[in-house]
Amino acid sequence: GEDVEQSLFLSVREGDSSVINCTYTDSSSTYLYWYKQEPGAGLQLLTYIFSNMDMKQDQRLTVLLNKKDKHLSLRIADTQTGDSAIYFCAESMNTDKLIFGTGTRLQVFP
Amino acid sequence: GAGVSQTPSNKVTEKGKYVELRCDPISGHTALYWYRQSLGQGPEFLIYFQGTGAADDSGLPNDRFFAVRPEGSVSTLKIQRTERGDSAVYLCASSSRGRVTEAFFGQGTRLTVV
Repeated sequence: GEDVEQSLFLSVREGDSSVINCTYTDSSSTYLYWYKQEPGAGLQLLTYIFSNMDMKQDQRLTVLLNKKDKHLSLRIADTQTGDSAIYFCAESMNTDKLIFGTGTRLQVFP
Repeated sequence: GAGVSQTPSNKVTEKGKYVELRCDPISGHTALYWYRQSLGQGPEFLIYFQGTGAADDSGLPNDRFFAVRPEGSVSTLKIQRTERGDSAVYLCASSSRGRVTEAFFGQGTRLTVV
């Protein structure tokens, strides 16, 4: 079946790195995604990785994928207060349906 | 418009009533998606339109839920005989080529059934 799990909460100091983790169960997923949700704002796609990749870097964001363990992580370098939000991991097997995790609330304190 | 627009932003209705939620996608986007996000949960897929037709409606929870997109642009999600468990934020997204990697989400409609 399809199931995506994330830890509920992460608290980091401003300037430190944040690592948000996600595990998924469906090995046939072709794409894995990270979304950001801020209060009063829509879901924002941060980045995604194709399942045949191990790593993707985009400015302060680094995505690591371990297919063997079905583990996905998002590292945010030099975390800022503006990064405080809920982060969702998601997977898809095709291009029409996303399966989301429960979300990780990231709190950045000064 | 500049983004995906959903109306109303908030809707309070009584149990048993009928509601309609509207989504205006980005102009020219052929693909449209509906998701439902319950409190403390991630969004759950409901239905996906490509043009006027529902390409995948496997996420609709039961026959009280129905969605249409008659002209391939605006979509309406319709819920009959609402129940308290239907309370959630209903999210709409659209994309230009049917690729969810290129989808933009609206801010959602918060539905509260009392």
